Amino acid sequence: SQTIHQWPATLVQPVGSPLSLECTVEGTSNPNLYWYRQAAGRGLQLLFYSVGIGQISSEVPQNLSASRPQDRQFILSSKKLLLSDSGFYLCAWTLAGGPRLSEQFFGPGTRLTVL
Amino acid sequence: KNEVEQSPQNLTAQEGEFITINCSYSVGISALHWLQQHPGGGIVSLFMLSSGKKKHGRLIATINIQEKHSSLHITASHPRDSAVYICAVPPRAGSYQLTFGKGTKLSVIP
Repeated sequence: SQTIHQWPATLVQPVGSPLSLECTVEGTSNPNLYWYRQAAGRGLQLLFYSVGIGQISSEVPQNLSASRPQDRQFILSSKKLLLSDSGFYLCAWTLAGGPRLSEQFFGPGTRLTVL
Repeated sequence: KNEVEQSPQNLTAQEGEFITINCSYSVGISALHWLQQHPGGGIVSLFMLSSGKKKHGRLIATINIQEKHSSLHITASHPRDSAVYICAVPPRAGSYQLTFGKGTKLSVIP
């Protein structure tokens, strides 16, 4: 069966510090991978998605970046965090072809607080 | 771009009640998703459907493609059903993304 891991579960970082969140998927090959952010009391905002290794599509221009160094690994990074980066970060995956053809499965999330 | 409207925004029910949450969208789609977000933040996929009806336990999802409308029903509701229920659809044909509704917050009181 498929499993999606995210770490860390919680993170408190000072403004201006770097960020690295990691997501890995097990039990499937060539998944589509997604990074979402949910600010407090708000809906899901798509940040990045990837349909293959090294292929990243950005939906929201900001100080975040994403990379997919391996088929089932997706990394969200920042060189300098802003207060507005605080939120709940969720990684998700679908089978190749995306959510028009496949359910979307979410990781447990990382709660980031920038102080 | 697909517009997704959910109703109601908030819903409070007594344990045992039958619950209906509605979702309407503006552009024809290949599939519609229902998600459940627990109070702790975790999100679970409940259904993906493109036609007709699907049932899983006490949850039933229906979709009417012609009317661009879907409903999520919960029979014999229980306090553990308390969560935010989110409807999502692709924004356009061929998209790899989803457009999310604002969610319906359900509280089931014992």
